[in-house]
Amino acid sequence: AQSVTQPDIHITVSEGASLELRCNYSYGATPYLFWYVQSPGQGLQLLLKYFSGDTLVQGIKGFEAEFKRSQSSFNLRKPSVHWSDAAEYFCARLDYKLSFGAGTTVTVRA
Amino acid sequence: KAGVTQTPRYLIKTRGQQVTLSCSPISGHRSVSWYQQTPGQGLQFLFEYFSETQRNKGNFPGRFSGRQFSNSRSEMNVSTLELGDSALYLCASSFGQGKWNEQFFGPGTRLTVL
Repeated sequence: AQSVTQPDIHITVSEGASLELRCNYSYGATPYLFWYVQSPGQGLQLLLKYFSGDTLVQGIKGFEAEFKRSQSSFNLRKPSVHWSDAAEYFCARLDYKLSFGAGTTVTVRA
Repeated sequence: KAGVTQTPRYLIKTRGQQVTLSCSPISGHRSVSWYQQTPGQGLQFLFEYFSETQRNKGNFPGRFSGRQFSNSRSEMNVSTLELGDSALYLCASSFGQGKWNEQFFGPGTRLTVL
């Protein structure tokens, strides 16, 4: 079955530092890939998506992600983290449904 | 456009009871999907409805059911509740298939089973 793996359960980063969250997907045809963010007690907000074309995707809140077919990866990055970025981040793959990774919790320290 | 709305936001039930959750999709969206989120299992797909028909179903027991109405609003029902059904239930709506299937999520219904 197609799946998504997020190797990091928890990441702590200092405010103003860069952030990179890893996501790997299982092999298959060109995947539809997404990154979602979830703040405590909230639903999921779409940060960005990749369907095809340019492998560097820009999203909201200053996030970007790069699709690398050779590494089966779709890592999320942000150059400078703000305290409000503390949340849980989910990578997901779409076929007829969204298959989510286990999520990465980001803690931002002052 | 208003986003996806879910009611109620919080619910407390006891084992053996049944519960119905409601989801109103974004105007114009015809597909509604339901997901269960728990600390142990993460986000798992329950089912998807399109034009009042269940199109896809996840690996959940028959106690979990749903339906969709002609206005695209959807309900999901869980009968004979178990402690393990305590979860955040998320509804997502989308326009349709393929790249148009980008899903927009509601805030969820937090169900606690005592």
